This record gives sequence, C-alpha cells and structure tokens, in this order.
Amino acid sequence: AQSVSQHNHHVILSEAASLELGCNYSYGGTVNLFWYVQYPGQHLQLLLKYFSGDPLVKGIKGFEAEFIKSKFSFNLRKPSVQWSDTAEYFCAALGYSTLTFGKGTMLLVSP
Amino acid sequence: DAEITQSPRHKITETGRQVTLACHQTWNHNNMFWYRQDLGHGLRLIHYSYGVHDTNKGEVSDGYSVSRSNTEDLPLTLESAASSQTSVYFCASSESGLIGVPEQFFGPGTRLTVL
Repeated sequence: AQSVSQHNHHVILSEAASLELGCNYSYGGTVNLFWYVQYPGQHLQLLLKYFSGDPLVKGIKGFEAEFIKSKFSFNLRKPSVQWSDTAEYFCAALGYSTLTFGKGTMLLVSP
Repeated sequence: DAEITQSPRHKITETGRQVTLACHQTWNHNNMFWYRQDLGHGLRLIHYSYGVHDTNKGEVSDGYSVSRSNTEDLPLTLESAASSQTSVYFCASSESGLIGVPEQFFGPGTRLTVL
C-alpha cells in the first residue's frame, strides 16, 4: 500500500521568509503527486501537480515543488511567504486509482 | 459554473441514529469520493465510485455505505452513528483519467457531531 508522510505538522514563519515543506511517498509504480491547500474554513484546493516531464512544477500563488525520484520526495517551496499563505497544506499521491494524503502541515505566517 | 455541493453543512446527531450526508456535483464527473478529515490524520478515504452503480471501499469504510444511482450524486450513509464518526466529511469528484492526471475537486465539507 502506498503512503505519504509530511515531515512537519506545524510551521511558523514570518512574512517574507522562505518556505519548504517536506513530503515523501512510498509507492513502487508510477506515481502522480499533488499538493493541496486548505485555507481556514474552506475546502481543499489544488496548488500544483506532477505527473511526468520537468520535475520542477510551478503552481498557483508562487508555489513550486520538485519531484526527486531517487529520494521519493516532492517538497513544496515558496521563496517569500505572505500572511495570506496561512493554511494547512496536504501532499497526496495518486497510485493506481485513489489518492493517499499525508497528515498535513499547518503553516502559520505572522505579519 | 460547475460545482460540487454538500448538505447539510453542519449536523448534530445522537449515537445509534442513521445519518445520510448528501453530495451533488455538476461537473458530470464519473469519479466521486468521500473522505473524512480528523486532526492528526489528514484525509482518509471512506468510499469511492467510478460510475453509476459502482462503489468501492476505501481505507476507513466500516460503518459507512454509499450508493450511486446517477452521475451527479453520491450520498454517504452512517448506518448507526458512533461518537468515533464525529468528523468533517469531504466529497470530491474527478474525471476518468483517460487524458492527463485527473484533479479531484472538493466540496465545502460537512461537519458532523455524534453525541
């Protein structure tokens, strides 16, 4: 069975700081990877996804993620966070047919 | 605009009662999913469907059932609600993955409390 692990449960940053959220997956076959964001009180929205090609994927709102196959990793990055990035971030892997989510990382950005 | 809706948005019920949560999507997607979200567990898959009359069990299906009689709806039923089923429930839908990678679109969630 595939699994997804997120290294940090809570991250606190000041505005303008750089962000990197870790995500590792375990799956033997071809895997498609996603990062979703959940703003307070809202539903999940897709930030970005990787399925093939360039391992550096750019998403919405200045986020990007790099797929490193040898490390089974798909870390999310943003060079300079804003207060409005305060949210919970979920990494997910699509195996054969269903999504497996990590437990999420709560990001708090202080102004 | 196409959307996915859930009702009710909030529900309080008592242990042992049967509860049904509705999910309706206008994307015309074949695939529909139910997740529960709990602190420290992220989202866990309860049931999913790849089309009318198709249903499949997910990671945490015990105590839940679904039925798919049309493309638009996938109601989730708690046969006999338990306090352990207090959670936030999200419905999602996606296209069949024939082209590219199907993104799942999520509904606004239903917060269920079982007393």
